[in-house]
Amino acid sequence: AQSVAQPEDQVNVAEGNPLTVKCTYSVSGNPYLFWYVQYPNRGLQFLLKYITGDNLVKGSYGFEAEFNKSQTSFHLKKPSALVSDSALYFCAVRDPIQKLVFGTGTRLLVSP
Amino acid sequence: GAVVSQHPSRVICKSGTSVKIECRSLDFQATTMFWYRQFPKQSLMLMATSNEGSKATYEQGVEKDKFLINHASLTLSTLTVTSAHPEDSSFYICSSGSLTSTDTQYFGPGTRLTVL
Repeated sequence: AQSVAQPEDQVNVAEGNPLTVKCTYSVSGNPYLFWYVQYPNRGLQFLLKYITGDNLVKGSYGFEAEFNKSQTSFHLKKPSALVSDSALYFCAVRDPIQKLVFGTGTRLLVSP
Repeated sequence: GAVVSQHPSRVICKSGTSVKIECRSLDFQATTMFWYRQFPKQSLMLMATSNEGSKATYEQGVEKDKFLINHASLTLSTLTVTSAHPEDSSFYICSSGSLTSTDTQYFGPGTRLTVL
């Protein structure tokens, strides 16, 4: 079965510093990977996805993610964090019958 | 990306009553919509897949008679929580998309249901 793991419940980073939110995946076949962000009491906003092609995927709000097949990882990154980036981040994988399977989420806290 | 709305954003009801949540795809025709629920500090759990003009497909453990889904048009899917109980209190989120693996699902803003 397809699955993703987000090993960190929370990531703390100072504003202006680079941030990384980790995600590893387990799939059979080609991985279709997604990152979403959720602000309090809101739905999920799409950030980026990897389907095929370049391993470095650029997305919304300056975020990017690197697909690493050998490490089965799809970590979310941003060169310089903003306080407004503080939110809950979900990694997800599309399974063979097209459902999204979400990770447990990582709370990002960016301090001023 | 696509715009998905939900109504209401927040609802409080008494135990035993039914609550209807609407999910609208505002700028494209969604042949498929998905309904999720999210408990506090937890991830999203898929409840059902709603296909326009046909019966919804429910995930294992989700009571189809309790969570009624109707997808009568390409822009509207509704979730009705029947005979709601306090344990049904949760954050319900819908998304629209297709069954193509590379397509992106776009999510509504969610509905906070509180059953007293």
